[in-house]
Amino acid sequence: EVQLVESGGGFVQPGGSLRLSCAASGFTFGSYGMNWVRQTPGKGLEWVSAISGSDDSTYYTDSVKGRFSISRDNSKNTLYLQMNNLRAEDAGLYYCAKNQWELVYWGQGILVSVSS
Amino acid sequence: EIVLTQSPDFQSVTPKGKVTITCRASQTVGTSLHWYQQKPDQSPKLLIKYASQSISGVPSRFSGSGSGTDFTLTINSLEAEDAAAYYCHQTTNLPYTFGPGTKVDIK
Repeated sequence: EVQLVESGGGFVQPGGSLRLSCAASGFTFGSYGMNWVRQTPGKGLEWVSAISGSDDSTYYTDSVKGRFSISRDNSKNTLYLQMNNLRAEDAGLYYCAKNQWELVYWGQGILVSVSS
Repeated sequence: EIVLTQSPDFQSVTPKGKVTITCRASQTVGTSLHWYQQKPDQSPKLLIKYASQSISGVPSRFSGSGSGTDFTLTINSLEAEDAAAYYCHQTTNLPYTFGPGTKVDIK
């Protein structure tokens, strides 16, 4: 059974940093692309970042380029999202999701709050 | 950025009724358009991939069609458990984008 479990969220002040983790199980993690998607009441679902399963190419939405970094540790079956210089508009529920394109499995989400 | 619009925003349907949700893209996405269902307090669930391809375990009353810029998700013989929000999602061009969602309620 595929499982994706996010962790690392929490409350941070603007300009602060957080590192989200997504522990994967039930599939050959290193063979699949992975995504981070966030959800807020105001903007709905928003794609944030992706990493390929083939060559670890990375992709970002414009609003997080230069601030967020996606990475993976295939030996630990874990996906990461390093978030720096956080802004109020980065707050939301962050999901990791399996596959590079169609998102076939989603974690339960982890909450990120950004406020002074 | 490709903008996805969905209509209607909200639909209330009686059990066994039919639901039709449309998703329109601001430029062609070919068939790289996927549909998700999200129930309250749950993560999204993939219903249809690449416009019309079915997903294992998803009831056959859910179907998708379309290509280019116009897509449709159809739910036949609606059941109470289908009350949820439905989102389209394109993966043709970066940044990938989602539609704003359509909420389906059971009368």
